[in-house]
Amino acid sequence: DAKTTQPPSMDCAEGRAANLPCNHSTISGNEYVYWYRQIHSQGPQYIIHGLKNNETNEMASLIITEDRKSSTLILPHATLRDTAVYYCIVKGSGGSNYKLTFGKGTLLTVNP
Amino acid sequence: GAGVSQSPRYKVAKRGQDVALRCDPISGHVSLFWYQQALGQGPEFLTYFQNEAQLDKSGLPSDRFFAERPEGSVSTLKIQRTQQEDSAVYLCASSLYGGNQPQHFGDGTRLSIL
Repeated sequence: DAKTTQPPSMDCAEGRAANLPCNHSTISGNEYVYWYRQIHSQGPQYIIHGLKNNETNEMASLIITEDRKSSTLILPHATLRDTAVYYCIVKGSGGSNYKLTFGKGTLLTVNP
Repeated sequence: GAGVSQSPRYKVAKRGQDVALRCDPISGHVSLFWYQQALGQGPEFLTYFQNEAQLDKSGLPSDRFFAERPEGSVSTLKIQRTQQEDSAVYLCASSLYGGNQPQHFGDGTRLSIL
């Protein structure tokens, strides 16, 4: 699976949009970009995933660049409960591509 | 809600004891995964089941670790003769099937070996 690079930490003001970047320059054609987050003392929570088109759900939006070498997770109106470690993961979809490989993620702190 | 349920949430054991950790996946989910998360690190893959078949156990740290899912639903991770380095959070995840279906995680069992 392709490696990802994320900033170790970011801050965001409550009510503002949080934009979390991820670089995955070695991503291959059949690999998806997944985002999970982990709030303290909880298990990772699935947020969103995409292949090449931008995706939106009730939690967030995922913007993937045209060359697919980077992506941005957008939380449109951050709240204090969004403080968590956010993991960007690249994973293929076929055959043996079932395991998630977590890096160190980005610690997002939402400030009042 | 009907999420992934893990028990116990916390387990303290003395070095050398055997422990068993339980995972109840989301009903109907075919795929089940175990991960280990050390303090300050991201989760690391241990093993993968598709129904009752254990298709990958490459991440299990040693032969003291054993996982089973005999009826294709509930899974148990067993650690024999526990060592201090086994102290970690053990996470279970399930997905509807493989492919690009997202994995949904439980809140884990925090294991402390004294």
